[in-house]
This record gives sequence, C-alpha cells and structure tokens, in this order.
Amino acid sequence: DSGVTQTPKHLITATGQRVTLRCSPRSGDLSVYWYQQSLDQGLQFLIQYYNGEERAKGNILERFSAQQFPDLHSELNLSSLELGDSALYFCASSSPGGLSTDTQYFGPGTRLTVL
Amino acid sequence: AQTVTQSQPEMSVQEAETVTLSCTYDTSENNYYLFWYKQPPSRQMILVIRQEAYKQQNATENRFSVNFQKAAKSFSLKISDSQLGDTAMYFCAFMRNTGNQFYFGTGTSLTVIP
Repeated sequence: DSGVTQTPKHLITATGQRVTLRCSPRSGDLSVYWYQQSLDQGLQFLIQYYNGEERAKGNILERFSAQQFPDLHSELNLSSLELGDSALYFCASSSPGGLSTDTQYFGPGTRLTVL
Repeated sequence: AQTVTQSQPEMSVQEAETVTLSCTYDTSENNYYLFWYKQPPSRQMILVIRQEAYKQQNATENRFSVNFQKAAKSFSLKISDSQLGDTAMYFCAFMRNTGNQFYFGTGTSLTVIP
C-alpha cells in the first residue's frame, strides 16, 4: 500500500459524458501527478500540481482539466469523453525538496471505460 | 527531450534464477534520477529501485540491483533468485533534476516460470 488513494476504482460511462477522478496523496506530500496508461500509448504524464498550483503539464488534452484543493487532494476532470479515453488513470504523489523525497508513489489507479 | 527505451518487450526466467532487464535513455542533462517500477497484474505501480545520476555506486534493494553506466546512458535491472511474485511489467523511468516529470519506457513483461 503506497498511501495514495484513488476513487473510484472503476468507472463506466458513455461517449460525450463528463467524469471526475479523485486522488488523495500520501500524508505530507505536496505534489500530485496524473498519468494515463492506455494499451497503445503506454504510460503518459498528464499534469502535476504542487501545493495547489499547476507545476508542469504533459500530454493533457484540452478536454481534460485538473485541480488540487487546499487539503491537497486532487481531481482530474474528463469531459466530452471519447472511446479513446478509455484507460487506466494513475495518480502519484511526492514531496519535492530532497533527494530522498523525489520518488513518486502511485495510487492503485482508476479504470475508465467509455462505451 | 528525454527518451527512455526498453528493448525487451517480453522476458521469462526460471524460478530462483537471475534475470537482467535493459534500459537506455537519452538526455543532455547531467543530474537526474532513474527508477524501476513494477506493475503486477493488480496494475498498481510499485517502486522497485532508484538511482541518482551523481552516485557512481550502483543501487541495491535486497534481490534487486542496477548496473548504471552513465557514459553509455544505460540502466539495467538485475533480479536475483527470481520469485513467482516477480511476475509483472517492469518500467524504467527517467526524471530530470530540475523537474518532477517522469519519462517512462514502454515496459518489459517478465514472467517467472515455476
């Protein structure tokens, strides 16, 4: 158990819909990262938040957005869903600021299926 | 841009034997971190081992060790005394010292045969 929690575990929805994925980082971690893992794309970095602010952006579509709240939990919002958005979405957390704290710890993932 | 290459899509090893997974990367950075993550059938990502580029000594964690060749930009993972629970997808990952974004390889699927 990494200490990172993600809900829901599974999500099934239809094309055109909007969903919200939730992540709670490890206690004390300030950074949250979102990744998408699909069969044909591998593991892709989407976005990073640090203490409530966006820190880095990767291959995140405009239909997707994220935020980190004052209690440090984060939400990833996916809208106008397409079949190709079906994937496993991982959240990870870390506490930057020291060699021993740069490691990212991954949550169990949310499996999104778009029908 | 950073790229990470894992040239072995699938590997297998007999239980109790040793196996080495390869990883190469491309970067112009001098300071960075390298990681191996394991993803078992449960799909959770589990940190196996990490290496700081400024350290010449290879990292070890129990049965897991790395062979870090900075000049060759190579970072292989050796698993000794392989166990059935080692069956998983293994991802090599690179992280720049100036940022916390991971760059992942495409993974190597390892099967431990009883």
